[in-house]
Amino acid sequence: EPEVTQTPSHQVTQMGQEVILRCVPISNHLYFYWYRQILGQKVEFLVSFYNNEISEKSEIFDDQFSVERPDGSNFTLKIRSTKLEDSAMYFCASSVASGANVLTFGAGSRLTVL
Amino acid sequence: GIQVEQSPPDLILQEGANSTLRCNFSDSVNNLQWFHQNPWGQLINLFYIPSGTKQNGRLSATTVATERYSLLYISSSQTTDSGVYFCAVEPRTLNDYKLSFGAGTTVTVRA
Repeated sequence: EPEVTQTPSHQVTQMGQEVILRCVPISNHLYFYWYRQILGQKVEFLVSFYNNEISEKSEIFDDQFSVERPDGSNFTLKIRSTKLEDSAMYFCASSVASGANVLTFGAGSRLTVL
Repeated sequence: GIQVEQSPPDLILQEGANSTLRCNFSDSVNNLQWFHQNPWGQLINLFYIPSGTKQNGRLSATTVATERYSLLYISSSQTTDSGVYFCAVEPRTLNDYKLSFGAGTTVTVRA
């Protein structure tokens, strides 16, 4: 069964450092998403991406965050200057189309900011 | 935005028991998915079920869209069923294609 692949599985960084989380969506999917889950809390939407541009973003997704599809397969989330409160599990997801379609999630990247 | 409420928040089961988890949502939906988050944090998609009933092994789910709720049934529970179960919905609102998650039900199955 096709899957969404995320790397790294776990990253530890110092406060103020830049972090890039990588995702390889399912190959025929056109819509890509990042979600975040702070430990013990619910999963929250960060951003959706289609046709090489952001289609929707939440209030969490401020100027320190950016997304990019640098080539035909990767989808990245960059956090420019990490803060302690950015420590969370970050999930990438993809879907064939928007609206009424299954979102397939990756296994997550756990970010720990010290 | 759409509100998603899951109940109960916690559930402790003896191995072999059956259980029902509930998800209520505040508006019409295009998409409803049930996920299992395992102890390693991975989100495993269980069902895509905006309406109707589906079964997959010992798990089944029913969504009554007109009454805005969904139920997840676990039968003959096993210790591997432990984890957090999330319901997530996409509202039937123009240009709102993101999933909103409930707070989850934490299930502990004891041997």
